[in-house]
Amino acid sequence: QKEVEQNSGPLSVPEGAIASLNCTYSDRGSQSFFWYRQYSGKSPELIMSIYSNGDKEDGRFTAQLNKASQYVSLLIRDSQPSDSATYLCPLYKGNSGAGSYQLTFGKGTKLSVIP
Amino acid sequence: DTEVTQTPKHLVMGMTNKKSLKCEQHMGHRAMYWYKQKAKKPPELMFVYSYEKLSINESVPSRFSPECPNSSLLNLHLHALQPEDSALYLCASSQGGGLWEQYFGPGTRLTVT
Repeated sequence: QKEVEQNSGPLSVPEGAIASLNCTYSDRGSQSFFWYRQYSGKSPELIMSIYSNGDKEDGRFTAQLNKASQYVSLLIRDSQPSDSATYLCPLYKGNSGAGSYQLTFGKGTKLSVIP
Repeated sequence: DTEVTQTPKHLVMGMTNKKSLKCEQHMGHRAMYWYKQKAKKPPELMFVYSYEKLSINESVPSRFSPECPNSSLLNLHLHALQPEDSALYLCASSQGGGLWEQYFGPGTRLTVT
């Protein structure tokens, strides 16, 4: 089983609609969850981090976490063409002894917002 | 400020060349990372440095040699690369000490001819 699974894309939504992106994990140990956005040819950009069950809102973005179900989602309200990108939800693995933390990325979901 | 800088932006090298990629951050972060990303694939972790010590090496071939001269700098030395090593090389950093968000630099686009 893959460590991180994201809903298969590409995902196309019309401008102004809500885009819903999902991610499930096979590792119950992770306590930290992140969403990154990556434009074509660019590096990943951190857009949300969430550590507790429930919802976290930041502008048009809402992350939802359910640790028991090993599930995290990202909702993008009022989607804009500039939101067209690949969205990544890596699995975080911490090594507190070494003080280092690694991210294992799934394939990502490509979002296209149609004007 | 969450800026990580990388130089050069683009690099073309032959299979017999030796080159280095550089990464710098001035956020006081204590962990730094190298990732490799091929086209249409997610980033893959190569190395992790924590407090200037190599803590993770994901079985990377020896033609890639990382170096962390100080807490702000991270280098990746390249030697005898293969065309299949052509990729986007990403550097990232995180604060450590329980704060885990990783911030990525813009990357170096490497082409091996």
